[in-house]
Amino acid sequence: QVQLQQWGAGLLKPSDTLSLTCGVSGGSFSGYYWSWIRQPPGKGLEWIGEVNHSGSTNYNPSLKSRVSISLDKSRNQFSLNLTSVTAADTAVYFCARRWNWLDPWGQGTLVTVSS
Amino acid sequence: EVVLTQSPDFQSVTPKERVTLTCRASQSIGINLHWYQQKPDQSPKLLIKYASQSFSGVPPRFSGSGSGTEFTLTISSLEAEDAATYYCHQSTILPNTFGQGTKLEIK
Repeated sequence: QVQLQQWGAGLLKPSDTLSLTCGVSGGSFSGYYWSWIRQPPGKGLEWIGEVNHSGSTNYNPSLKSRVSISLDKSRNQFSLNLTSVTAADTAVYFCARRWNWLDPWGQGTLVTVSS
Repeated sequence: EVVLTQSPDFQSVTPKERVTLTCRASQSIGINLHWYQQKPDQSPKLLIKYASQSFSGVPPRFSGSGSGTEFTLTISSLEAEDAATYYCHQSTILPNTFGQGTKLEIK
């Protein structure tokens, strides 16, 4: 059974780069998209983007200029980088596997942007 | 992008009541519509995939229907543990999008 475990810095200053990693255990990268989703405190879910097993990416146009998602098969992990963060990027960030639907999900990481 | 509009935003319901939640898409998305349940401080959990297919391990009281632009999630007999926020998600057209969520409160 595939499990996702995510990690990364939880407190950033404005203009920093957000970096999160999601480790994948119990399954293969092939055939799926590996996604990042975020949820501002008390609000709904926003899809950030995804990468597939061959490294092909899709990004939300609202974040495309600042986001990068990559895959490291040798380490069984994929990563999210979001540059030039502001307070508006404060959210819980989730990783997830996508085969049309999203399952499973990582445990979530709260990232706070504050000066 | 495809806008998903859920209704209602909030509903207070009694145990054993039948509950129907709606998700409307701004354009046709076929059946690539999925439903999730999220409890406070937890990750969302998949309930229904492809509009009407129950996901493994999900109690049978949860069911989904619809296609095109109109979708419903039905809980046939509400239990206290169903207090949560429910989200729909479309994967037909990039970017993937979510509805704003429906929060269910148990009276």
